[in-house]
Amino acid sequence: DTAVSQTPKYLVTQMGNDKSIKCEQNLGHDTMYWYKQDSKKFLKIMFSYNNKELIINETVPNRFSPKSPDKAHLNLHINSLELGDSAVYFCASSQRTSGNEQFFGPGTRLTVL
Amino acid sequence: QKEVEQNSGPLSVPEGAIASLNCTYSDRGSQSFFWYRQYSGKSPELIMSIYSNGDKEDGRFTAQLNKASQYVSLLIRDSQPSDSATYLCAVTLAGGSEKLVFGKGMKLTVNP
Repeated sequence: DTAVSQTPKYLVTQMGNDKSIKCEQNLGHDTMYWYKQDSKKFLKIMFSYNNKELIINETVPNRFSPKSPDKAHLNLHINSLELGDSAVYFCASSQRTSGNEQFFGPGTRLTVL
Repeated sequence: QKEVEQNSGPLSVPEGAIASLNCTYSDRGSQSFFWYRQYSGKSPELIMSIYSNGDKEDGRFTAQLNKASQYVSLLIRDSQPSDSATYLCAVTLAGGSEKLVFGKGMKLTVNP
């Protein structure tokens, strides 16, 4: 199936821990994104990579570090997790030359206790 | 701060009716406009994209764009209970075509 996939789907962890979320797309897109959706369902861009180059870097704590090993993969590492980091994190991808239609992965629900 | 505003909801319509969702945006230079549908506990799903003024129809969905008035709307004809979801308006910013700014969403309920 052609899609955007994320792992894990659920992540429950203690404050202060470090965790990573992985994303892969097999749509052949050149741009990938991380979004955060908070408890009020507001969806906000965090980062974007185009062909492994960081092109969007919103005002996000530097505990969050994205990494793109190749244009089909984008990972998000979070250090020293805090309660406020609890949210659903969505990965998305698009093709820059196709009107920026973005396609979302299933999301990772992060709960920090 | 570039913003995308959606009508405060929720919106409830009877089955078979037309549901109308509206969105305004503040960045006059925005070029690309999208409607996403998000079912509870699921990810946003792209249902319509529109890039030029006027109407764009796809099945029961019609997107309308008016750049002069800076609004974009989504009409759902013959609404079905399966259309019950949150609808998110998204707009790309001028000069940064990859950055999507989302509205807060409008929850639609279609009653059988």
